[in-house]
Amino acid sequence: DAGVIQSPRHEVTEMGQEVTLRCKPISGHNSLFWYRQTMMRGLELLIYFNNNVPIDDSGMPEDRFSAKMPNASFSTLKIQPSEPRDSAVYFCASSFEFMWDRGFSPLHFGNGTRLTVT
Amino acid sequence: KQEVTQIPAALSVPEGENLVLNCSFTDSAIYNLQWFRQDPGKGLTSLLLIQSSQREQTSGRLNASLDKSSGRSTLYIAASQPGDSATYLCAVKVRGSGNTGKLIFGQGTTLQVKP
Repeated sequence: DAGVIQSPRHEVTEMGQEVTLRCKPISGHNSLFWYRQTMMRGLELLIYFNNNVPIDDSGMPEDRFSAKMPNASFSTLKIQPSEPRDSAVYFCASSFEFMWDRGFSPLHFGNGTRLTVT
Repeated sequence: KQEVTQIPAALSVPEGENLVLNCSFTDSAIYNLQWFRQDPGKGLTSLLLIQSSQREQTSGRLNASLDKSSGRSTLYIAASQPGDSATYLCAVKVRGSGNTGKLIFGQGTTLQVKP
């Protein structure tokens, strides 16, 4: 099992450019989460999907951010246009049946994408 | 709104010392609490998970306790080693939309163990 795969590992772009971050969850997992990590705010949940359907996007900071999950094996997080304050590490995580009242269902994290917007 | 706080933000100790990391949460309506480790430039690795009905969990030199009513958890590391140097995060599982769950994280405690 290759784990959760994120690409690219590093992204440097100029303000105003479009940025697309990619995630391949672990095969068989049906819950997928996008988090953003900064020194100031820690790990923030941006959006999560269950069975490819967005469940809660209340953490998405602005309309500039959008996320899709066209199928069970791929998700994207897009920022358009990007701004310097979007600089952070973006993590994708997946799990099987991450329901409220289910037992032990660990969340598996990718290694993140470090985004720098200049 | 659930908020998770970790104290201290950073900790530096000599090798061999026993230490305690603290985590507090504002809403006791949690399903479980997890402690994660994060190494620089890496993702998070789950260390221990405590169900809301449990009081503690142990794995090797790590022991995590949970007092749900007071909104507190501690991670105890015995006989610390330089390899323990990392950022430790706690997270609570709360109810999301519908019957889904989601993890809310604290900001982490960065631990440095000096040889």
